[in-house]
Amino acid sequence: GNSVTQMEGPVTLSEEAFLTINCTYTATGYPSLFWYVQYPGEGLQLLLKATKADDKGSNKGFEATYRKETTSFHLEKGSVQVSDSAVYFCALPLSGGYNKLIFGAGTRLAVHP
Amino acid sequence: EAGVAQSPRYKIIEKRQSVAFWCNPISGHATLYWYQQILGQGPKLLIQFQNNGVVDDSQLPKDRFSAERLKGVDSTLKIQPAKLEDSAVYLCASSSLIPGSRAGYEQYFGPGTRLTVT
Repeated sequence: GNSVTQMEGPVTLSEEAFLTINCTYTATGYPSLFWYVQYPGEGLQLLLKATKADDKGSNKGFEATYRKETTSFHLEKGSVQVSDSAVYFCALPLSGGYNKLIFGAGTRLAVHP
Repeated sequence: EAGVAQSPRYKIIEKRQSVAFWCNPISGHATLYWYQQILGQGPKLLIQFQNNGVVDDSQLPKDRFSAERLKGVDSTLKIQPAKLEDSAVYLCASSSLIPGSRAGYEQYFGPGTRLTVT
């Protein structure tokens, strides 16, 4: 079945630094791919998504490109802010449909002024 | 548009006690999910409802966990009796998508209930 692997955290950066959080997946076919973000004390929010190979999802300065050759969906941001401190989850549908998602373990990002 | 509501936000109980969590999904969303998120891990699906029917409960420990979604709107998740390993955040999410649709799988999450079992 489908699976996802995320880089371990925590990731600690200074404000305005460049961010990359790695995500690789194993899947049957070419499922949609997602990044969710969880701010402290809150539930998960969809950050961005890509529905087919070579698509680039983007939101709030974050980007991720669906790379079928490397089965990756790495999250990037050119200049992080303190307010980006959160836990980031890569996700994709479980094989078999029914709109079920599987999530990576999450990567905690801490941005310092 | 109001988001997914959950209550309580926090609950502390002793092992072997029972506890119930409540979720009110976004209006009109037919699909409702309960997830368990253990500290340091991603959410794990416990049960999925489509309207008031169960689509998937394969990961639900049925000897102690139960869930229902009467009238296809609100849902409750119950644990009886609780164990120490049940300490986690319980997340409710809803989606307007039809099962099997490839249209994006976007799920909207509530703030969660943090359960501590002592």
